[in-house]
Amino acid sequence: AQSVTQLGSHVSVSEGALVLLRCNYSSSVPPYLFWYVQYPNQGLQLLLKYTSAATLVKGINGFEAEFKKSETSFHLTKPSAHMSDAAEYFCAVSESNTGGFKTIFGAGTRLFVKA
Amino acid sequence: NAGVTQTPKFRVLKTGQSMTLLCAQDMNHEYMYWYRQDPGMGLRLIHYSVGEGTTAKGEVPDGYNVSRLKKQNFLLGLESAAPSQTSVYFCASTRALYNEQFFGPGTRLTVL
Repeated sequence: AQSVTQLGSHVSVSEGALVLLRCNYSSSVPPYLFWYVQYPNQGLQLLLKYTSAATLVKGINGFEAEFKKSETSFHLTKPSAHMSDAAEYFCAVSESNTGGFKTIFGAGTRLFVKA
Repeated sequence: NAGVTQTPKFRVLKTGQSMTLLCAQDMNHEYMYWYRQDPGMGLRLIHYSVGEGTTAKGEVPDGYNVSRLKKQNFLLGLESAAPSQTSVYFCASTRALYNEQFFGPGTRLTVL
């Protein structure tokens, strides 16, 4: 069965510092992986997705994530945090098996950016 | 393109009351979903639909019903609301399985 674990419900960084949000998944088949961002009082928006092409995926707003099969990880990074990055981030996994739908979301990590 | 819209944005119910949440999408997407979001639990799937006239149960379907009479609309019903259904409800749609989901702005429901 697939699952997603986001390490750290809250992460705090200073403006200009590296952002690292951790996501580990489990899946019995090659997964499709996603990172979504949720700003206050809004729905989720796609940041980036991995669909078995390049292992390093670039998304919007300077974010990127690297798929590491050996570590079953899909961590989200940004070299330099901006105040506008303060939001909640969700990692999600979809299995590529047929005959069924399953997208599982992690519990979320709230990112705080200090001036 | 309005994308995915949800009605209403906020609602307060008393225990035992019923209501329907409406989700509409104008992207001609086949798949539509209803999630609930609770603190520390991420999004949990309530029901979903893979096409007009079809629905299926998700992870937490109890106490909810859905209908998809038109491709662009997906309704979520609460027949007898309970305080445990206090949550933020999100509708989402996607063109095809395993593609990104497009989310509505959410409905904040409080059941007293």
